Amino acid sequence: SQQGEEDPQALSIQEGENATMNCSYKTSINNLQWYRQNSGRGLVHLILIRSNEREKHSGRLRVTLDTSKKSSSLLITASRAADTASYFCASVRAGGTSYGKLTFGQGTILTVHP
Amino acid sequence: NAGVTQTPKFQVLKTGQSMTLQCAQDMNHNSMYWYRQDPGMGLRLIYYSASEGTTDKGEVPNGYNVSRLNKREFSLRLESAAPSQTSVYFCASSEYFRGYTEAFFGQGTRLTVV
Repeated sequence: SQQGEEDPQALSIQEGENATMNCSYKTSINNLQWYRQNSGRGLVHLILIRSNEREKHSGRLRVTLDTSKKSSSLLITASRAADTASYFCASVRAGGTSYGKLTFGQGTILTVHP
Repeated sequence: NAGVTQTPKFQVLKTGQSMTLQCAQDMNHNSMYWYRQDPGMGLRLIYYSASEGTTDKGEVPNGYNVSRLNKREFSLRLESAAPSQTSVYFCASSEYFRGYTEAFFGQGTRLTVV
């Protein structure tokens, strides 16, 4: 099964609104990453948060990590139509034989209406 | 800066045919990955290679083989293609520096097995 589970599966908002996506994972992690994918193209890395960090910002992106709940959230503020894409969380496992393995959630499809 | 290059971009195979998907990265990364993405689903890990000379199975390895030819190249082989292997295949690479870094993705190979 997928290491990461995301919700909602789809999110539809108006330009200017904030978008929040959540991700849960199952095992201990080295870090958790968020990616964006436009229309079946390659994934583009957005932001990485390490297991000893609780919050990180990058431009209009804010990521939080709660290792006690094994969950993360991605907030996009002041959304734009160009933010329309699929967003995936991916976790890097810590330790054991799976060290370094990058495992993805099923993604959230975000639609931002002009 | 080429990053991660996958070939071919598109391929149609008949059931039972074999083919190799090629992937090369020019970022001197140690870790490389092969994923498949099916409609409405996230990326599922087929195989990964933590470093040159090592490979390990991911979530969905059946029907595939891989070769880490050198540090730059990681190929995925379908020995006897089946319709269930119709998918978009992505190659990615990453590095370990105080923990694993973000992954860089190729543009994908759209494979149809008829």
